Amino acid sequence: EPEVTQTPSHQVTQMGQEVILRCVPISNHLYFYWYRQILGQKVEFLVSFYNNEISEKSEIFDDQFSVERPDGSNFTLKIRSTKLEDSAMYFCASSEWGLGTGANVLTFGAGSRLTVL
Amino acid sequence: AQSVTQLDSQVPVFEEAPVELRCNYSSSVSVYLFWYVQYPNQGLQLLLKYLSGSTLVKGINGFEAEFNKSQTSFHLRKPSVHISDTAEYFCAVVTSYDKVIFGPGTSLSVIP
Repeated sequence: EPEVTQTPSHQVTQMGQEVILRCVPISNHLYFYWYRQILGQKVEFLVSFYNNEISEKSEIFDDQFSVERPDGSNFTLKIRSTKLEDSAMYFCASSEWGLGTGANVLTFGAGSRLTVL
Repeated sequence: AQSVTQLDSQVPVFEEAPVELRCNYSSSVSVYLFWYVQYPNQGLQLLLKYLSGSTLVKGINGFEAEFNKSQTSFHLRKPSVHISDTAEYFCAVVTSYDKVIFGPGTSLSVIP
């Protein structure tokens, strides 16, 4: 069964460092997403991406965050200067079509755990 | 604004007993409702979804959920749980916007 893969599974970084989290969505999917889950808290929407541009973003997704689809397979999340509060599990997800019709659902990756020291 | 409430943060239940995990949502527009499960150290996996039609939805692993529009609820049930059902369960709603809103999650612990 097709799956979304994420790397690294766990990254430890120093505060102020740049971090790039990578995702390979399912090959025929067109919509891509990043969510995060701070330990013990709920899953929060960060950003959605379609047709090489951001379609929606949350208030969490400030200027320190950026997303990119550098080639036909990868979808990356960059945190420019990490803060302690960026420590969380980051989930990538993709869907074949947009979610507005409800007919499609998100397929999530296993997550990348980011620890900022 | 849309929101999802899961009143029970933790639900302990004995093996082979029935379980119900509660979910309520608020939205001024039509919604599509989902339950996701997160096993320890894994990502989110879709359990079931309600789009339209029959209000009783059956999903994987013997789970089912019932959509109740008047009570704005979408409670998840299983008649007999197994140890392997121990996980975090998230109710989620999708509206016409391109994002999923998750509830805070319910931690189900199945006791042998």
